[in-house]
Amino acid sequence: QVQLVQSGAEVKEPGASVKVSCKASGYGFIGYYMYWVRQAPGQGLEWMGWINPNSGATNYAQRFQGRVTMTRDTSISTAYMELTRLRSDDTAVYYCARCIVGVKAYYMDVWGKGTTVTVS
Amino acid sequence: QSVLTQPPSASGTPGQRVTISCSGSSSNIGANTVNWYQQVPGTAPKLLIYSNNQRPSGVPDRLSGSKSGTSASLAISGLQSEDEADYYCAAGDDSLNGVVFGGGTKLTVL
Repeated sequence: QVQLVQSGAEVKEPGASVKVSCKASGYGFIGYYMYWVRQAPGQGLEWMGWINPNSGATNYAQRFQGRVTMTRDTSISTAYMELTRLRSDDTAVYYCARCIVGVKAYYMDVWGKGTTVTVS
Repeated sequence: QSVLTQPPSASGTPGQRVTISCSGSSSNIGANTVNWYQQVPGTAPKLLIYSNNQRPSGVPDRLSGSKSGTSASLAISGLQSEDEADYYCAAGDDSLNGVVFGGGTKLTVL
């Protein structure tokens, strides 16, 4: 079945970096964009950026520019999201999600279970 | 502050019909289709409605979506206790080349 399996919870000190992985299975990894979304405790969903696994092209939300890097390893169908210079307000659950991109349509149909990152 | 605007809460009794609104702008809802996600606390979001009014397989037809101009809405009829969750609208945003979300609506089944 189609699934995204994320890496385990992380606890980091302020100023450190974290790298979250997202392994895809059950579908052609390079055929779908991978989006990253985060959710701070008690808050809503926030889009962070995307990577095109086929080309490696990326696009990041402005507020994360300069701190986030999204990469992929097509040989193991895995996407990565690295966030640097962590602050306490980066404490959140980080999700990867497969995104269907069409004409005027962008929707995330498969989600990972999330990776909790605590900055303390 | 979320780009799309949703009411923070909604409620209804079992069997009732409830609607959740979502307001945006010409660069997001006005330019692209709208999607709705359901999130039970402690779990990942689940796609409920895509392309304004399409349901993925497994989503019951008592859930429906619509869009008009720069606004959209999600309707749930025959409300059930299992519908109690947070609901988020989302749309592509041409000015960001990404996706924007609403702040979420907490649905309570009384």
